[in-house]
Amino acid sequence: GQQLNQSPQSMFIQEGEDVSMNCTSSSIFNTWLWYKQDPGEGPVLLIALYKAGELTSNGRLTAQFGITRKDSFLNISASIPSDVGIYFCAGTYGNKLVFGAGTILRVKS
Amino acid sequence: ETGVTQTPRHLVMGMTNKKSLKCEQHLGHNAMYWYKQSAKKPLELMFVYSLEERVENNSVPSRFSPECPNSSHLFLHLHTLQPEDSALYLCASSQVAAGVGEQYFGPGTRLTVT
Repeated sequence: GQQLNQSPQSMFIQEGEDVSMNCTSSSIFNTWLWYKQDPGEGPVLLIALYKAGELTSNGRLTAQFGITRKDSFLNISASIPSDVGIYFCAGTYGNKLVFGAGTILRVKS
Repeated sequence: ETGVTQTPRHLVMGMTNKKSLKCEQHLGHNAMYWYKQSAKKPLELMFVYSLEERVENNSVPSRFSPECPNSSHLFLHLHTLQPEDSALYLCASSQVAAGVGEQYFGPGTRLTVT
């Protein structure tokens, strides 16, 4: 089946730093989405991308839909302690939503 | 209540027990999903209901039995589970017309099988 390779697996960064993570696949996806999951909660949708090349921002978050439709990245600017959590990329392939394994973000204050 | 709610939040059950997980969505959506989340693994889609009909069953063992009595409620009935079934079970919902991408998740039920 379709797989998403998400990297890095985990990050430990200084408060105030910018963060970048990405997802790649050998398959073409129709939609790319980024979710965040806080401990003890379900994933929350952060950004949804619908067109190749699309660049979308949500506050300090910026995500892009790769022009090949096989990748996407998420940037977080000026990280703060509440950014900790697990970030998942996801892509739609036909009528399926496929998730990456997640990037664990830890912020050192 | 708003969004997607799940009860119970935590459940410990023996392998011979029968229990049910409940999910309710207050978003007016018409598709609902069950996922299993295990440590260090991607979310695994278990079941999909669209317009109250089951449209996906991803080779899930029969000890998991879903039920969708209406577009707002989804149940997962559990019986004779195994310890490896211990995981976080997440419910999600979406609007069929919007495609499968924009799914809204509940907080999950942390299940421990002893």
